[in-house]
Amino acid sequence: GDSVTQMEGPVTLSEEAFLTINCTYTATGYPSLFWYVQYPGEGLQLLLKATKADDKGSNKGFEATYRKETTSFHLEKGSVQVSDSAVYFCALKSNTGKLIFGQGTTLQVKP
Amino acid sequence: SQTIHQWPATLVQPVGSPLSLECTVEGTSNPNLYWYRQAAGRGLQLLFYSVGIGQISSEVPQNLSASRPQDRQFILSSKKLLLSDSGFYLCAWSVGPLYGAFFGQGTRLTVV
Repeated sequence: GDSVTQMEGPVTLSEEAFLTINCTYTATGYPSLFWYVQYPGEGLQLLLKATKADDKGSNKGFEATYRKETTSFHLEKGSVQVSDSAVYFCALKSNTGKLIFGQGTTLQVKP
Repeated sequence: SQTIHQWPATLVQPVGSPLSLECTVEGTSNPNLYWYRQAAGRGLQLLFYSVGIGQISSEVPQNLSASRPQDRQFILSSKKLLLSDSGFYLCAWSVGPLYGAFFGQGTRLTVV
């Protein structure tokens, strides 16, 4: 069945460091891919999305590219800030409407 | 604009009691609806999803059931709660395969 696998956390970085959070998926057909963010004490928010192969989603300095050949959707940011500290979730939505999430990766950015 | 309402925000229930959590969406028609459970420090586990009235897909065999009596209403139920049903339950809605989902504020369920 469909699944999403994220890198284990927590990830601890210094401010202005480069961020990569790995996400790989298995799915039949051509799913849409998403990154969600959950800031401390808040609900889940959609961060970015990509709906077909080679699409790049971007928002708030974050970006991720839909790589069909490697079944990956890694999240990147060139220079993280303390305010980026949160839990990040990779998600997959199939053509049937089923939406599943990875286990989440906690990012802690230190000043 | 679209909004999602989920209640109650917190709930403490004894083992063996029934459960009913309700979720309603406003401002859209024929949404996809979802119930998730989020365990502390872990990801979101998809419990049920529905693409239309009376259409429920169950992802995890367990002590829970879901129903969609109206287009924008999604109910999570149990006849007899177990201790292991404790957790944070989230309702979400979406439209179409290309769009992300929007989440309610969640219900913290504690079974005692």
